[in-house]
Amino acid sequence: DAGVTQSPTHLIKTRGQQVTLRCSPKSGHDTVSWYQQALGQGPQFIFQYYEEEERQRGNFPDRFSGHQFPNYSSELNVNALLLGDSALYLCASSLVNQGWETQYFGPGTRLLVL
Amino acid sequence: DAKTTQPTSMDCAEGRAANLPCNHSTISGNEYVYWYRQIHSQGPQYIIHGLKNNETNEMASLIITEDRKSSTLILPHATLRDTAVYYCIVRGLYSGGSNYKLTFGKGTLLTVNP
Repeated sequence: DAGVTQSPTHLIKTRGQQVTLRCSPKSGHDTVSWYQQALGQGPQFIFQYYEEEERQRGNFPDRFSGHQFPNYSSELNVNALLLGDSALYLCASSLVNQGWETQYFGPGTRLLVL
Repeated sequence: DAKTTQPTSMDCAEGRAANLPCNHSTISGNEYVYWYRQIHSQGPQYIIHGLKNNETNEMASLIITEDRKSSTLILPHATLRDTAVYYCIVRGLYSGGSNYKLTFGKGTLLTVNP
């Protein structure tokens, strides 16, 4: 049973460019969350998708957008990249069970903005 | 979500038990305690969670004090592969509002020494 997968593993972009990161959830999971982790910090919540809709959003600008597909996979898009967007981007998938859910993380995509 | 306080770092000898403390004095009655760990440059890994009773699984034990204001994660026989940052997270039931996200602090860097 494959866990959460993310692609690509590493990415280098320049300021002003746009980037798309991809996530496939763990088998049986229907919810995908995205987190940004800057060096030396804990992961910060970007947003969560469920039933192809953004359910909750963290404190991130509109340059960060996402999408969830009918097969529950998800994309994170970041426009007009800034140097400060350099980080590890983590995807987590989950399935709600009786009012609680456990998020399982993928290995992340490391983005470097030059 | 209630705020958590963890020591910045801890050391443990290989083969000994590692006891990682977490304070969450403002926890409310329906909030769970979750533990994740993150090995360098990998995605966070779910370890265990609990509400008020002690919990044990194949990875660790979670001891929550009777007043629920603190908890301890116990790795019974630490190995070098347990060296990681351990995050204690308090989170309410998955029922809307701010409860969809995980709020990470800086965690505790546990170093297991040979």
